[in-house]
Amino acid sequence: GQQLNQSPQSMFIQEGEDVSMNCTSSSIFNTWLWYKQDPGEGPVLLIALYKAGELTSNGRLTAQFGITRKDSFLNISASIPSDVGIYFCAGQMSGANSKLTFGKGITLSVRP
Amino acid sequence: DSGVTQTPKHLITATGQRVTLRCSPRSGDLSVYWYQQSLDQGLQFLIQYYNGEERAKGNILERFSAQQFPDLHSELNLSSLELGDSALYFCASSVVPHIGELFFGEGSRLTVL
Repeated sequence: GQQLNQSPQSMFIQEGEDVSMNCTSSSIFNTWLWYKQDPGEGPVLLIALYKAGELTSNGRLTAQFGITRKDSFLNISASIPSDVGIYFCAGQMSGANSKLTFGKGITLSVRP
Repeated sequence: DSGVTQTPKHLITATGQRVTLRCSPRSGDLSVYWYQQSLDQGLQFLIQYYNGEERAKGNILERFSAQQFPDLHSELNLSSLELGDSALYFCASSVVPHIGELFFGEGSRLTVL
């Protein structure tokens, strides 16, 4: 089946630092999405990307849809303590019955 | 608040038992999804419904079943529970069935002892 690879499993950064995460797949996706899960909550959509090469920002977050359509990147600039959480990438192929496939997530810790 | 409501928030039961998890989607959303989240498997897609009809199936065990009712709420039934079924079960909804922009509930944490 389709698999999305996110590594490392955990990242530790200092408040104020920038951090980059990537997500790769052996399959081509037509949509890439990034979700964040806070402790005790459900995942929340951060950014959705629909076109290869697309670069989209949401505040301090910037995500890119790789031109090969097999990867995506999320950058968080000037991290703050509330950026702590699990960041999931998700990919979806086209088609009415296409399922959303999630990566296993990266747990981000921000040291004050 | 995503607008997706899940009950119960926590559930503790014994092996062999049966439980029902309930989900009310966001107002106006016709599509409901169920995901299982365990520590080592991440978010696993179980099943999707759209306007009462099953739309897509993922890694859902035969011991599990779901349905979406005319009022669009959905239930996930888990039977003959095993220790390995302990996990967070999330419901999500979307306006249309083929879009990846999902709104997740807070989840139901199931512990099987």
